[in-house]
Parts: sequence; C-alpha cells; structure tokens
Amino acid sequence: SQTIHQWPATLVQPVGSPLSLECTVEGTSNPNLYWYRQAAGRGLQLLFYSVGIGQISSEVPQNLSASRPQDRQFILSSKKLLLSDSGFYLCAWSARTTGNTIYFGEGSWLTVV
Amino acid sequence: GENVEQHPSTLSVQEGDSAVIKCTYSDSASNYFPWYKQELGKRPQLIIDIRSNVGEKKDQRIAVTLNKTAKHFSLHITETQPEDSAVYFCAAAPSGYSTLTFGKGTMLLVSP
Repeated sequence: SQTIHQWPATLVQPVGSPLSLECTVEGTSNPNLYWYRQAAGRGLQLLFYSVGIGQISSEVPQNLSASRPQDRQFILSSKKLLLSDSGFYLCAWSARTTGNTIYFGEGSWLTVV
Repeated sequence: GENVEQHPSTLSVQEGDSAVIKCTYSDSASNYFPWYKQELGKRPQLIIDIRSNVGEKKDQRIAVTLNKTAKHFSLHITETQPEDSAVYFCAAAPSGYSTLTFGKGTMLLVSP
C-alpha cells in the first residue's frame, strides 16, 4: 500500500531564517505531488504541484519554492521566512492520471517568530 | 478555472440529527468530487467521493449526491455523533487537471 511521510512535524523558526520541509511517498511510481498550506482556521491553499521530476507548477507567488529531485521526493523551501509563512503545511500525492483522490501527509506545523 | 463554493461555513446540530453540507462548482467538465474530513490538528482524510457518471453514493451514515445539471453536490450525514465534529471540505477535479479545487470548509459541531 502507498504511504506518505512528511517531516519535521513541528518547527519554530525565527523571521529571516531558511526553511526546508521534506516529503516522500512509498508504494507508488510517478505520483503527482503537492504542497498545501493551511492558516489557522482557514481553508486549503495549493502552493505547488508537480507531475514529474523537475516539473514544478506554482499556484501562489511568494517567498517559497519547491523542488522534486527524485520521483517520490518533494521539498518545500524558503531562503528567508516571514511571519505570514506560519501555518500547517501539508504534502500530498495522487496517481498520475487526472481526476484522482489526493492523499495528504500528516502535516508540518510551522511557527515563525 | 474551477471555483467551488461551500455552505454553510459552520453547522451546529444535536446528536442524532442529520447534517447536510452543500457545494457548487463552476466548471461543467469537472468529473470527480471528493469529500474530506479534517479533525482538529490532523490531516484531511477522504471520507467519500463520487464521479460524474453517478448520482448518489452511500457509505453507512454518509451519503453524497451529485446534480450535474445544477452543478452542485452535497454531503449528507445521518444520525450524527460527537465524533463527527470536524471541518469538512468538498472538492472538484477540473477536467484535464491534476489538481483539486477545494471549498473553504464547513465546521460541523455535534452536541451530545
């Protein structure tokens, strides 16, 4: 069966510091991969999605970036965090074809102080 | 692009009552409609989904209905229990896209 792992689970970072969140998927090949952000009490905001290695689509202009160095690895980064970057970050995957269920990782709580 | 509207934003019911959450979508070519449940501090999890070739689907106390003509779909929860309290998100998959467009969520509160 397929599993998705995301880490770290929680982190507290000062403003201006870098960020790296990592996600890996097991049990499937060529998945679509996603990064979502959820501010406290808010909806799911799609940040990036990827249909293949090195292919990244950005949905929202911001100081975050994403990379997919391997088929089942997705990384969210920032060079300098802002207070507004605080939130719950969710990695997710779906099968390669369109119109499929998205499965979420357990999420990473980021607090920028 | 696709736009999904979800109502109500908050829904309070007594245990044992039914709850209905409604969503409308804009892209008539959307063909997949999942519902997710998110408990406090946890990840959203799929609870039920429906494809455009089906009008209704049931799974125990949960059902989803789809009206393609009107472009709306609804989640029905019967005999609600306190553990049903959570935020529920609807979503639609635009044709030809790999992403889902989510509604803004409904907080369901079930009082004992």
